[in-house]
Amino acid sequence: AQTVTQSQPEMSVQEAETVTLSCTYDTSESDYYLFWYKQPPSRQMILVIRQEAYKQQNATENRFSVNFQKAAKSFSLKISDSQLGDAAMYFCAYRSDYTGANSKLTFGKGITLSVRP
Amino acid sequence: GAVVSQHPSRVICKSGTSVKIECRSLDFQATTMFWYRQFPKQSLMLMATSNEGSKATYEQGVEKDKFLINHASLTLSTLTVTSAHPEDSSFYICSARTQGVNYGYTFGSGTRLTVV
Repeated sequence: AQTVTQSQPEMSVQEAETVTLSCTYDTSESDYYLFWYKQPPSRQMILVIRQEAYKQQNATENRFSVNFQKAAKSFSLKISDSQLGDAAMYFCAYRSDYTGANSKLTFGKGITLSVRP
Repeated sequence: GAVVSQHPSRVICKSGTSVKIECRSLDFQATTMFWYRQFPKQSLMLMATSNEGSKATYEQGVEKDKFLINHASLTLSTLTVTSAHPEDSSFYICSARTQGVNYGYTFGSGTRLTVV
C-alpha cells in the first residue's frame, strides 16, 4: 500500500518570504499522480498543484512550485512571496494510476502553515 | 469549473437519530464519489468509495450499517449516519472525481455533525 508522510506538523513563515513544505511517499508503482491541497479555516479543500510522475518537469502555478524527486520519492511544495491568505493546512496526496485502485487519494497527515505579518 | 454542493453545512442531532448528508455535482457527472471523515487538525480519513448504480466500497474499520451510502444517480450521492452517537460527531467531506483533460477531484464544502 502507498503511504504519504508529512513529518512537520507546523511551520511558520514571514509574509513575503519563501517557505518549503516537505512530503515523501512510498510506492512500488511507476505511474502515479501527486497533489498538494490547501485547507483554509473554512475547511474547503482547494487544489494547489498537481504533478504527473511521468513528467520530469516540476509543476508550477504562479507562486507555487514543486520539487519532484522521483527516485527519492520526494514531493515538496515551495510557496514564494508568502501572503496572509496562504495560512492554512496543507495536505500532500498520492493517487495511483492503476485503474483498479478506484482512483482514491492517499493523504498525508498535513502541515499547518502560519504566516506572520 | 466542476462544483460539488454539500448540504447541510452544519447539523446538530440527538443521539439515536439518523442524519443524511447530500452531495450533488452541479455541472458534471460524478461517477465516483469519495466520503471522508476529518477530526480537528487531522487528515482526511477515507470512509468509502461509491460508484453510481453499485454498492459502496467501505474502508476497513468503517461500519457499513452505520454509514449508509447511496449513489443512485450521476449527480447525487448521500451519506446517512444511522443511530448517531456523540462519537460520530465529526466533519464529513465528499469528493467527486472529475474526468477528461482536467481530471482531478472536486470537494464539497463539508458538513459539521454534532450529536448531542
